[in-house]
Amino acid sequence: SQTIHQWPATLVQPVGSPLSLECTVEGTSNPNLYWYRQAAGRGLQLLFYSVGIGQISSEVPQNLSASRPQDRQFILSSKKLLLSDSGFYLCAWSVKGQLNTEAFFGQGTRLTVV
Amino acid sequence: DAKTTQPPSMDCAEGRAANLPCNHSTISGNEYVYWYRQIHSQGPQYIIHGLKNNETNEMASLIITEDRKSSTLILPHATLRDTAVYYCIVRPRSGGSNYKLTFGKGTLLTVNP
Repeated sequence: SQTIHQWPATLVQPVGSPLSLECTVEGTSNPNLYWYRQAAGRGLQLLFYSVGIGQISSEVPQNLSASRPQDRQFILSSKKLLLSDSGFYLCAWSVKGQLNTEAFFGQGTRLTVV
Repeated sequence: DAKTTQPPSMDCAEGRAANLPCNHSTISGNEYVYWYRQIHSQGPQYIIHGLKNNETNEMASLIITEDRKSSTLILPHATLRDTAVYYCIVRPRSGGSNYKLTFGKGTLLTVNP
């Protein structure tokens, strides 16, 4: 069966510090991968998606970047965190190439920038 | 631009059916309607999806109007664990390798004892 792992579950970081959130998927190959953010009291916003190793698409301009160094690994990074980067970050994956398929989400990382 | 409209909140008594409405008046002919839910502080969970016909699975039923401009998610016997934010999403039928879900604010369903 397929599983998705995200860590850490919670993180408190000072303004200006770097960030690295990691997501890995098991039990599947060549998935589509996604990073979402949910700010307090707001809906889920798609930040990045990837259809393959080294292929990253950004949905919104921001202080964050994403990388996919391996097929089932997706990393969200920042060189210098801002207060506005606080939120609930979710990684997700889906099967590539099927016309109607759901996305599977990790349990999320709650980031607080102080 | 979520392309869907949902009430911000609803209440339901435990054991009763919960009917969650969604308007998607600009849906195109090849777009699916998906429903997800998000229990507090967890990742969203897929519930069900449909194109034209009504659908049913072990979690819920999805009723799509004939003109496809609205749909209703039905939880037949709501439990306290069904308290969550429910998202109705219209997803383009890409046929390719991209898959983007655009979430709105959803409906907070509170199941009361």
